[in-house]
Amino acid sequence: AQSVTQPDIHITVSEGASLELRCNYSYGATPYLFWYVQSPGQGLQLLLKYFSGDTLVQGIKGFEAEFKRSQSSFNLRKPSVHWSDAAEYFCAVGAQTGANNLFFGTGTRLTVIP
Amino acid sequence: EAQVTQNPRYLITVTGKKLTVTCSQNMNHEYMSWYRQDPGLGLRQIYYSMNVEVTDKGDVPEGYKVSRKEKRNFPLILESPSPNQTSLYFCASRKALTGNTEAFFGQGTRLTVV
Repeated sequence: AQSVTQPDIHITVSEGASLELRCNYSYGATPYLFWYVQSPGQGLQLLLKYFSGDTLVQGIKGFEAEFKRSQSSFNLRKPSVHWSDAAEYFCAVGAQTGANNLFFGTGTRLTVIP
Repeated sequence: EAQVTQNPRYLITVTGKKLTVTCSQNMNHEYMSWYRQDPGLGLRQIYYSMNVEVTDKGDVPEGYKVSRKEKRNFPLILESPSPNQTSLYFCASRKALTGNTEAFFGQGTRLTVV
């Protein structure tokens, strides 16, 4: 069965520091991978996605993520965090088959301190 | 502007009083779904619909109903709400069922059942 693990429930970083949010998935075939951000009081917005090709993908707001098949990971990174990046971040896996085929992790809440 | 619109954004109700949360998308998407978001549990799918008049249960369907009479609308119905349905609800739509299509989310409905 497919699953997504985000091991960090809450991360605090200083403004200007680098950021890495972890995501591990379990899926038997090549997954489709997504990162979403949920700002306070808002819905989820797509940051970036990986389907195939270059394993380093760029997204909006200066984020990037790297797909590592050997580690079943799709970690999200940003070199310099801004206060406006404070939000909750969700990793998701899309399966190739099945009617219920988009699975979300439990989320990582990011706090940014001045 | 492409969007998913949910109403209301906030709702406080009493146990047993039927309510409906509306969801509408203007992107002509085939696939729509409802999620609930609870702390530590991430997003869990309640129901989904692959097209008009085609709906199916997600992971946590108990206590909920849905209908899909038109392609753009996918209301969530709580016939007899209970306090354990207090949650943040999101409607989402996708262009197709394939796992490599991103989901577009509404802004959420925060429901409190007292």
